[in-house]
Amino acid sequence: DAGVTQSPTHLIKTRGQQVTLRCSPKSGHDTVSWYQQALGQGPQFIFQYYEEEERQRGNFPDRFSGHQFPNYSSELNVNALLLGDSALYLCASSLWGTGSYEQYFGPGTRLTVT
Amino acid sequence: ILNVEQSPQSLHVQEGDSTNFTCSFPSSNFYALHWYRWETAKSPEALFVMTLNGDEKKKGRISATLNTKEGYSYLYIKGSQPEDSATYLCAFFGGYQKVTFGIGTKLQVIP
Repeated sequence: DAGVTQSPTHLIKTRGQQVTLRCSPKSGHDTVSWYQQALGQGPQFIFQYYEEEERQRGNFPDRFSGHQFPNYSSELNVNALLLGDSALYLCASSLWGTGSYEQYFGPGTRLTVT
Repeated sequence: ILNVEQSPQSLHVQEGDSTNFTCSFPSSNFYALHWYRWETAKSPEALFVMTLNGDEKKKGRISATLNTKEGYSYLYIKGSQPEDSATYLCAFFGGYQKVTFGIGTKLQVIP
């Protein structure tokens, strides 16, 4: 049983460019959440997708957008990259409606913006 | 912005020592508290999912307690081993699927 997978592992982009990160959830999970972990901080919640809709959103600008596909996989898109977007981006999957919000994380994508 | 604090931020202990960390969170609108272990270059791994005041969970040498009325959780490691070296994160769920992570406690166990 594959756990949560993310691609790519590392990515280097230039300021102003756009980037797409991908996540496949754990088998049987239907909900995907995205987090940004900047250096020296804990992971910060970006948004969550269920049934192909954004259900919750953290304090991130509209440059951050996402998508969920019918197979529950998800993409995170960031437009007009800034140096401050350099971070580790984590994806977590879970099952919608469980009261404990138990989630499983992928290994992350390290984004460097130069 | 919810305040979730973890202390200490880093810790060095000798192999065999027992240790504990603290996670402080708002005492209102509590839904769940998660503890994760995050080893370098790996995915964060869930240790405990805690939902009820007074919860005590145990997994091997690691245990956790929860006090939602006063807004804190303790994580204990008994007889630390080098393989326990990792960053330990707590995550507070304070509303419908909204989550706030602490900054983590980085533990280094010295052989």
